[in-house]
Amino acid sequence: DARVTQTPRDKVTEMGQEVTMRCQPILGHNTVFWYRQTMMQGLELLAYFRNRAPLDDSGMPKDRFSAEMPDATLATLKIQPSEPRDSAVYFCASGLAGSSGNTIYFGEGSWLTVV
Amino acid sequence: GNSVTQMEGPVTLSEEAFLTINCTYTATGYPSLFWYVQYPGEGLQLLLKATKADDKGSNKGFEATYRKETTSFHLEKGSVQVSDSAVYFCALGNTGFQKLVFGTGTRLLVSP
Repeated sequence: DARVTQTPRDKVTEMGQEVTMRCQPILGHNTVFWYRQTMMQGLELLAYFRNRAPLDDSGMPKDRFSAEMPDATLATLKIQPSEPRDSAVYFCASGLAGSSGNTIYFGEGSWLTVV
Repeated sequence: GNSVTQMEGPVTLSEEAFLTINCTYTATGYPSLFWYVQYPGEGLQLLLKATKADDKGSNKGFEATYRKETTSFHLEKGSVQVSDSAVYFCALGNTGFQKLVFGTGTRLLVSP
């Protein structure tokens, strides 16, 4: 089965350190999303890309977060410097614009703990 | 703006009971509607979807019907199992394949 692949699966880091999360979308998908999930806020959309171009990153704290797609098979989400409040599960998802029903598929998430 | 409202959880049921999780939405245009399920420690998985009014999505015994007149997409299952214990998210995707808007999730706990 085709799937979205995320690394790392788990990450514990100290406050102030840089964190980079990586995502390989499903081959052929042209839209990539980054979501963050916390108990308090639920699922929040941080940013999304279409054909590698950022379409909306309004949900992302600009001072410390950045998202890029160096190529069609790799999306990255970077936090620098990390803070304890960034502790969350970060999900990447991908989909194919124009396909029936606009379905997106999620990776298993990167579970980040900042201490 | 677009929004999704789900019933508060947790929903606690005994095995083989009937399940309903309510979901209503507000949207412009003609959205697609989805149910995603998240098992403990895992990512979200698409459970079912419906792309237009009166469509019924179904999968693994779960069903939901896109009701435009009541702006609802309630999730139902006739007989739940312990393995159905998870968090269920209702979501809306507008035309043009913009971002999905998710509800807050409803936790389902099924006991033997």
